[in-house]
Amino acid sequence: KNEVEQSPQNLTAQEGEFITINCSYSVGISALHWLQQHPGGGIVSLFMLSSGKKKHGRLIATINIQEKHSSLHITASHPRDSAVYICAVALNTDKLIFGTGTRLQVFP
Amino acid sequence: DAGVIQSPRHEVTEMGQEVTLRCKPISGHNSLFWYRQTMMRGLELLIYFNNNVPIDDSGMPEDRFSAKMPNASFSTLKIQPSEPRDSAVYFCASSLAVGQVYEQYFGPGTRLTVT
Repeated sequence: KNEVEQSPQNLTAQEGEFITINCSYSVGISALHWLQQHPGGGIVSLFMLSSGKKKHGRLIATINIQEKHSSLHITASHPRDSAVYICAVALNTDKLIFGTGTRLQVFP
Repeated sequence: DAGVIQSPRHEVTEMGQEVTLRCKPISGHNSLFWYRQTMMRGLELLIYFNNNVPIDDSGMPEDRFSAKMPNASFSTLKIQPSEPRDSAVYFCASSLAVGQVYEQYFGPGTRLTVT
């Protein structure tokens, strides 16, 4: 079993829909990262969180440390949100363990 | 700030050749990470440095891989000899570790093809 599991693996949506991507992990962590990888390959850090909730524009990330679960929400999705979203957990060092990613396609 | 800089962006080489990938972290950052991304295995940490010192190299596949960080502004990842299974995108990332709270900034990656 992978230490970091993401669901769904693939997701399609119509523009404007509310989107949720889930991440579950099985190890003790110091922080959890959500990353976005564009079709061109570049990776951008969206959020880093260790508790509660963070919001940036239309993106919201939540984490429940007790349940070892995090969600990434996108409100009012847009075709430019199409990308691969990757969850990564930081152990008690700087080492990151990555999920396999969720490929999101938003159609106009 | 120019962000994390990697070179070359693309590298095509023949099996058995030596390959050197280069990374310049964001100025002032004290941690540097080398990752490999493949379709089969996704993103994997190869090695990371803190204050130029290798901290964890458990992800380095085998002795053919080596990494150095001679100073705070430069790191190399070398593969010698290269093999077709080394074909992947190699990312470098840097961060400013402040306690346990940090964010990693990724470079654009080097796409390596070994024929």
